[in-house]
Amino acid sequence: AQSVAQPEDQVNVAEGNPLTVKCTYSVSGNPYLFWYVQYPNRGLQFLLKYITGDNLVKGSYGFEAEFNKSQTSFHLKKPSALVSDSALYFCAVRPYSGNTPLVFGKGTRLSVIA
Amino acid sequence: EAGVAQSPRYKIIEKRQSVAFWCNPISGHATLYWYQQILGQGPKLLIQFQNNGVVDDSQLPKDRFSAERLKGVDSTLKIQPAKLEDSAVYLCASSPRTGYYGYTFGSGTRLTVV
Repeated sequence: AQSVAQPEDQVNVAEGNPLTVKCTYSVSGNPYLFWYVQYPNRGLQFLLKYITGDNLVKGSYGFEAEFNKSQTSFHLKKPSALVSDSALYFCAVRPYSGNTPLVFGKGTRLSVIA
Repeated sequence: EAGVAQSPRYKIIEKRQSVAFWCNPISGHATLYWYQQILGQGPKLLIQFQNNGVVDDSQLPKDRFSAERLKGVDSTLKIQPAKLEDSAVYLCASSPRTGYYGYTFGSGTRLTVV
């Protein structure tokens, strides 16, 4: 069965500094990997995905993530954090093939301090 | 295109009462998912539909939860009777077909059981 680990419950970063939110995964075969963001009282908003190809994927709002197969990681990054990036971030995975639905990590709360 | 619609946005009920949530997916999306998101945790799949058939309901507590997707469009998730531990956000998502990588989530229904 697939699983996702987000080892940090909370990440604090100063505005303008780079940010990283960590994610490692376990799945049979090749993965589809995703990052979603959730603002208070809102649903999940898609940020970016890795399907195949280039290991560095770029997404919405200046976010990017790097797929590392050997380390089974898919860390979310942004070169310069904004206060408005403060939210709850979820990493999710599903196998490349088959009908298995997305499995989510427990989430990491990002707080960007002005 | 219109997004995934969910109602109500908020619901407060007493334990042992019943409650129902409604989801209208994106037009033409064959696959519909219900996820439960308990505070401090990532979303957990409850049930997956393909058109009006159930693909996966292995994590649905069938003694109290039920779901249907009549005519393969709208879906209703019901809890009867509710317990305190059912307090959560219930998220509906849809995708064009089973196995497709892209999900669109609704804003969710926040249930509080007192």
